[in-house]
Amino acid sequence: GAVVSQHPSWVICKSGTSVKIECRSLDFQATTMFWYRQFPKQSLMLMATSNEGSKATYEQGVEKDKFLINHASLTLSTLTVTSAHPEDSSFYICSARDRMNTEAFFGQGTRLTVV
Amino acid sequence: GIQVEQSPPDLILQEGANSTLRCNFSDSVNNLQWFHQNPWGQLINLFYIPSGTKQNGRLSATTVATERYSLLYISSSQTTDSGVYFCAVEDDYKLSFGAGTTVTVRA
Repeated sequence: GAVVSQHPSWVICKSGTSVKIECRSLDFQATTMFWYRQFPKQSLMLMATSNEGSKATYEQGVEKDKFLINHASLTLSTLTVTSAHPEDSSFYICSARDRMNTEAFFGQGTRLTVV
Repeated sequence: GIQVEQSPPDLILQEGANSTLRCNFSDSVNNLQWFHQNPWGQLINLFYIPSGTKQNGRLSATTVATERYSLLYISSSQTTDSGVYFCAVEDDYKLSFGAGTTVTVRA
């Protein structure tokens, strides 16, 4: 399978600050990566599709200016939560498809707590 | 988009028991995957199974694409099988997840 690494695993930040989360494909190149959000006891909800070299595509209801996505290389996508507020506290997970562009693999996830 | 329904929502098993989890989806799909989410949140890939039957140890899965459902079988369950099991289908190149089945295996 493919390996997707996400960093950091957890972060605590103060309200009003920004937090950057990195998602890397370690053993393959990923032109497309996906960012999900998961609230406690709930399922994963797709936030946006990250495209290498172009703008991300956001799902309906997701604020582009709040969740900045940059996919600057074939192995790295970043999600920046800007001006974080307590309601942004959640579990954020990224994923990428394997070399055959079929099976999706997920990073370890980042637990964000905004205080 | 495609609707994904999983049942049952919760399942409590005695160690050693067998169980079946179900995933229904509302339209034809090119990709269907089963995941196990461990207590730390990591999604573990179980099966990539758009159609047919696959087995991996005590787990097996069957997808009947023409009837729009997939089944995940857990045999001789162990306490380490506890967690949330998700079914996800590809919808316009994106994965849509079901609500999950929370499995608790008691010793």
